[in-house]
Amino acid sequence: EEQLLESGGGLVQPGGSLRLTCAASGFTFKSYAMSWVRQAPGKGLEWVSAVSGSGGGTYYADSVKGRFTISRDNSKNTLYLQMNSLRGDDTAIYYCAKEKDSSRYIGRFDYWGQGTLVTVSS
Amino acid sequence: DIQMTQSPSSLSASVGDRVTITCRASQSINIYLNWYQQKPAKAPKLLIYTASSLQSGVPSRFSGSGSGTDFTLTISNLQPEDFATYYCQQSYSTPGTFGQGTKVDI
Repeated sequence: EEQLLESGGGLVQPGGSLRLTCAASGFTFKSYAMSWVRQAPGKGLEWVSAVSGSGGGTYYADSVKGRFTISRDNSKNTLYLQMNSLRGDDTAIYYCAKEKDSSRYIGRFDYWGQGTLVTVSS
Repeated sequence: DIQMTQSPSSLSASVGDRVTITCRASQSINIYLNWYQQKPAKAPKLLIYTASSLQSGVPSRFSGSGSGTDFTLTISNLQPEDFATYYCQQSYSTPGTFGQGTKVDI
């Protein structure tokens, strides 16, 4: 059974950094693109970033471009999101999500983790 | 970016009802439209992909239709476990934008 488990969230001051981790199991990790999707408290869903199965292609929302970096380690079945220069509007639950049926980013997610909360506040 | 607009934002329904949620894209997205269900404090769940394909394990009372800019999600014979928020999302171009959500409650 496919499973995704995020970690690394927490409270950070504005301007600070945080690295999120998503541990995957139950599927051939390298065969699927992966994304991060966030949800601010009481708000809707916002796609943040994606990486291809090989790790060679990365994609970012304009709101995080230049501040966040997505990466993956296929030998460890793990996805990462390095978040720098954090702002108050980055406060959200961050979900990792598996691409359905593709090693390239399409934006169609069939499995999601339970999410990790990032709070940016002084 | 392509804007996705759902209507209504919320609706009240009863068990056994037929419910329809609409989603409109700001430009044509062919059939690259997905629907997700999210229950409180839970991760979203994929229901429908490419406008009308039912995700494995999803009950057949869920159906989707549409192409171009206008799409619908229909839940026939609403069940207690269907009370949730529903999101449409386009996967035609990056970024894959979501609608604002439709909350279905009693």
